[in-house]
Amino acid sequence: RKEVEQDPGPFNVPEGATVAFNCTYSNSASQSFFWYRQDCRKEPKLLMSVYSSGNEDGRFTAQLNRASQYISLLIRDSKLSDSATYLCVSDTGTASKLTFGTGTRLQVTL
Amino acid sequence: NAGVTQTPKFRVLKTGQSMTLLCAQDMNHEYMYWYRQDPGMGLRLIHYSVGEGTTAKGEVPDGYNVSRLKKQNFLLGLESAAPSQTSVYFCASSYSGGHQPQHFGDGTRLSIL
Repeated sequence: RKEVEQDPGPFNVPEGATVAFNCTYSNSASQSFFWYRQDCRKEPKLLMSVYSSGNEDGRFTAQLNRASQYISLLIRDSKLSDSATYLCVSDTGTASKLTFGTGTRLQVTL
Repeated sequence: NAGVTQTPKFRVLKTGQSMTLLCAQDMNHEYMYWYRQDPGMGLRLIHYSVGEGTTAKGEVPDGYNVSRLKKQNFLLGLESAAPSQTSVYFCASSYSGGHQPQHFGDGTRLSIL
């Protein structure tokens, strides 16, 4: 079983829609979680950290459910520029490394 | 505001040739990482370093070596390149390891013929 699992998509949504991605993690010792965005052929860029209480940054909301070991990302009022691959990331339970999911592809259309 | 800089950006090698990829960060980060990314595979950790003078193996270390002689630089070497090493290589750094986000360079696209 992969340490971090994501639905690869693609999720095709119209501009202005709300879309949500879920990600599950297998290591119950993981403490830190992040969402990254990766555009085609570019480097991953940190979108937001995920805190236990959940957090919001503009149109983006991240939630953590420790009991069920999943993380979610909600994007409201989708823009064309939101089209990208979204990577779910957790620490490995050790102090050194992160584990990256393979990503969920989002395509926002007119 | 350089952040993490990788050189070169692109390279084509012949099988058996050697080369070194350089990663430099100006954020005074302790931890540095080398990943490769292949279609459908996601990011896979090759080697990493938790501080100057240290290195450790990641998920896919075979065929690669690394050195961290200076805190700001992390070098990835291919001693004898193989076609299976054709990939996009990303370097990343973080302030203090697994509980901090990593910041990525813009990648090196390497083709081995």
